[in-house]
Amino acid sequence: NAGVTQTPKFQVLKTGQSMTLQCAQDMNHEYMSWYRQDPGMGLRLIHYSVGAGITDQGEVPNGYNVSRSTTEDFPLRLLSAAPSQTSVYFCASSQRRKETQYFGPGTRLLVL
Amino acid sequence: AQSVTQLGSHVSVSEGALVLLRCNYSSSVPPYLFWYVQYPNQGLQLLLKYTSAATLVKGINGFEAEFKKSETSFHLTKPSAHMSDAAEYFCAVSDSGAGSYQLTFGKGTKLSVIP
Repeated sequence: NAGVTQTPKFQVLKTGQSMTLQCAQDMNHEYMSWYRQDPGMGLRLIHYSVGAGITDQGEVPNGYNVSRSTTEDFPLRLLSAAPSQTSVYFCASSQRRKETQYFGPGTRLLVL
Repeated sequence: AQSVTQLGSHVSVSEGALVLLRCNYSSSVPPYLFWYVQYPNQGLQLLLKYTSAATLVKGINGFEAEFKKSETSFHLTKPSAHMSDAAEYFCAVSDSGAGSYQLTFGKGTKLSVIP
C-alpha cells in the first residue's frame, strides 16, 4: 500500500490564482481530513470528510473548498490564493471515527 | 471545546538523558489522546495513543506516556535520548463522544539532542 499520497510536493502561486491540492489513500479509509501547519501554530483542521459525498468544516475553512466523490480521493481547492495561505498542507485518513490518523508527506505552498 | 497545551516549544537534552515532553489537555468528555512525531520535511507519524484502556501507554522507539486524569496530563517520556529522537512532537486530543470527529493538536515541542 502507498498509504496517503499528496501532490504536488511544492507549489508557488501568485495572489489570486487558483489550484487544487490532491490527496489520495489506498487503505479504504472512511475518514479524511486536511490540515495546515504554520510555525508555532501546530496543525489546524481545514475540512474533513466522514465518507464519500459528506464533508464538513474544521477550524479554519475560509478560502478553501473540498469535495469527496470517491472513498480514495479528497482534493482541496484554493479558489483565489492569498499570501495568508502560505503554509504546509497535510492530508490524513483514518479507518473509523477516533482511530489513528495516517498522514501524507505534505504539500508546501508559497503564495506571492 | 477541547484544547491541548504543550509546555515548552523547544526542549534540549543530552544524549542518554531522560526525555520529558509535557502535554495538558482539556475536554468536556473522556478523551482519546495521541502523540505524533514529525521528522524534518516529513509528515506526522503516530508514536502512541490512549483510548481509555491502560493509563500507561507504550509506543514505538522506546517512548511511553501516562494518562493522569486528576492532572489532565499526558506527558511523553523516554528513559534515554538518542540522536535519532531529534524531531518535533505533537500532542493531540479527540473526545470520545459519538458526535465529534475533530482531532485538536498542540503547538508542538521541538526536541534537540546534544551529543
